[in-house]
Amino acid sequence: AQSVSQHNHHVILSEAASLELGCNYSYGGTVNLFWYVQYPGQHLQLLLKYFSGDPLVKGIKGFEAEFIKSKFSFNLRKPSVQWSDTAEYFCAVRRGGYNKLIFGAGTRLAVHP
Amino acid sequence: GAVVSQHPSWVICKSGTSVKIECRSLDFQATTMFWYRQFPKQSLMLMATSNEGSKATYEQGVEKDKFLINHASLTLSTLTVTSAHPEDSSFYICSARRDNPPNNEQFFGPGTRLTVL
Repeated sequence: AQSVSQHNHHVILSEAASLELGCNYSYGGTVNLFWYVQYPGQHLQLLLKYFSGDPLVKGIKGFEAEFIKSKFSFNLRKPSVQWSDTAEYFCAVRRGGYNKLIFGAGTRLAVHP
Repeated sequence: GAVVSQHPSWVICKSGTSVKIECRSLDFQATTMFWYRQFPKQSLMLMATSNEGSKATYEQGVEKDKFLINHASLTLSTLTVTSAHPEDSSFYICSARRDNPPNNEQFFGPGTRLTVL
């Protein structure tokens, strides 16, 4: 069965530190890849997505992610985090031609000022 | 644009009663909507795909007679939890895929917290 793995369940950083959250998936065919963020008390918002083309994708709020097909990975990065980045981050994958999204377990990020 | 609302935002009910949750796309049409369930500190699990004008497609292990889905219009899908039990307590989230432009992006609602006593 297709699965999405997020390796870090809980990350704690100080402001200005760099961030990298891992995401791996198990499906070998064409995939669409997503990172969503859920701020405390708010709904899921799309940070960025990859469908095709340049594997380095830039999203909102200074986030970027790199699709590495050979590693089945789509890691999320931000060079310098802010306190306002405190949230839960979900990686999601959709197989090409299918509707549904498969979500990873999520990574809870806490940024201390 | 691309706002999805859910009503109610939270509900408490007695065991054995039924609860209806609405999901609306406020400024776009959505032939396809999705219903997810999120347990505390866990990820979103897809329950079913709701298609306007046709039957919903349920994921394996989800009881279609317990979780009734109706997608009556291009902007509204409802999830009814029938004969609710305490184990049905959870956070239910819907999403809607915009018909135009057809970019396959899903927009999420704020969720409905259901507590069954």
